[in-house]
Amino acid sequence: DSGVTQTPKHLITATGQRVTLRCSPRSGDLSVYWYQQSLDQGLQFLIQYYNGEERAKGNILERFSAQQFPDLHSELNLSSLELGDSALYFCASSALGRGASSNEQFFGPGTRLTVL
Amino acid sequence: LAKTTQPISMDSYEGQEVNITCSHNNIATNDYITWYQQFPSQGPRFIIQGYKTKVTNEVASLFIPADRKSSTLSLPRVSLSDTAVYYCLVGDQSFDSARQLTFGSGTQLTVLP
Repeated sequence: DSGVTQTPKHLITATGQRVTLRCSPRSGDLSVYWYQQSLDQGLQFLIQYYNGEERAKGNILERFSAQQFPDLHSELNLSSLELGDSALYFCASSALGRGASSNEQFFGPGTRLTVL
Repeated sequence: LAKTTQPISMDSYEGQEVNITCSHNNIATNDYITWYQQFPSQGPRFIIQGYKTKVTNEVASLFIPADRKSSTLSLPRVSLSDTAVYYCLVGDQSFDSARQLTFGSGTQLTVLP
């Protein structure tokens, strides 16, 4: 158990819909990362937040957005969903920024999104 | 961004030592080398990280030559449960870095009985 929690575990929805994925980082971790893993694309970095602020952006589509709240949990919002958005979405957290000597990331169990 | 190249797949037998090499020719001075392990439908798990020479922990060793253009993850005496995808990442640990965290394709290690 990494200490990172994600909900829901599974999500099935239709094209054009909007969904929200939730992540709670490890206790005390201020950095949260979102990744997308699909069969044909591998593990793709989407976005990073630190203490509520966006820190780095990867290959995140404009239809996707994220935020980190004062209690440090994060949400990834996916809108106008397409079939190609079906994937595993992982959240990770790290102690980076609070004196950690390593930027080791701890991954959650993921949310499997299926768009029909 | 430092790009990494790894073998797509490797097979081994139980009890053998496995060495997976990662090439990162344009590694930057501040970059560290990190390896993660991922089982199907699970999030990646940190294995080991190093900057130069050799690093060892309870599960693996990481060998980094002086030019740092490659690195080798060594798994001693693998078991069936080591069957997984192994990713090599290269990046700095700067808090303010906006560098992308690129996992690449990884190496599928299959341990056979």
